[in-house]
Amino acid sequence: DAGITQSPRYKITETGRQVTLMCHQTWSHSYMFWYRQDLGHGLRLIYYSAAADITDKGEVPDGYVVSRSKTENFPLTLESATRSQTSVYFCASLGRTGVGQPQHFGDGTRLSIL
Amino acid sequence: KQEVTQIPAALSVPEGENLVLNCSFTDSAIYNLQWFRQDPGKGLTSLLLIQSSQREQTSGRLNASLDKSSGRSTLYIAASQPGDSATYLCALYNTDKLIFGTGTRLQVFP
Repeated sequence: DAGITQSPRYKITETGRQVTLMCHQTWSHSYMFWYRQDLGHGLRLIYYSAAADITDKGEVPDGYVVSRSKTENFPLTLESATRSQTSVYFCASLGRTGVGQPQHFGDGTRLSIL
Repeated sequence: KQEVTQIPAALSVPEGENLVLNCSFTDSAIYNLQWFRQDPGKGLTSLLLIQSSQREQTSGRLNASLDKSSGRSTLYIAASQPGDSATYLCALYNTDKLIFGTGTRLQVFP
């Protein structure tokens, strides 16, 4: 089905472990984004990508790594997970900027770090 | 730095009421503004997007307005229903990136 999918939907891991969250979109959108959602902070941008092989930091990038070798995929890696990274993570995509297109969001990954 | 505030943080109303959710922002140099709905444990569903050159957008019982000069957007929900219960988020486009408000949690009771 067309759309944006995130995997896994739920993940529990331990501090210090590496974990990768996957995001896949079928629209061939140029832009992709990773957000985290926390109580009291709302949604905050972690990293974004304007095209394959182009990535840039958002508001809260520390502790995260991204890559975008293919247009349709935008994985987010926590290299050494910490408890403060327990959150709900959302991936989003956007076709073009400045032309009134909305961002489309995945269903999220709920990540717990023990 | 752009700051986005949504008031009230929570709202509980009886079914059938017309209601207004507010979104304020500090920097009027925005591109577009998007309203989302989020159900518990779910992702974000786009409701309306207002381009910076527009004043309002309508979809069914929803109407969103944008006043850049005063730094405000409102989401009007007509004839509210229990199925409208959710968290409503506004977000501003700063070129290609979204800056979110913290949301209004709406409960509509029968």
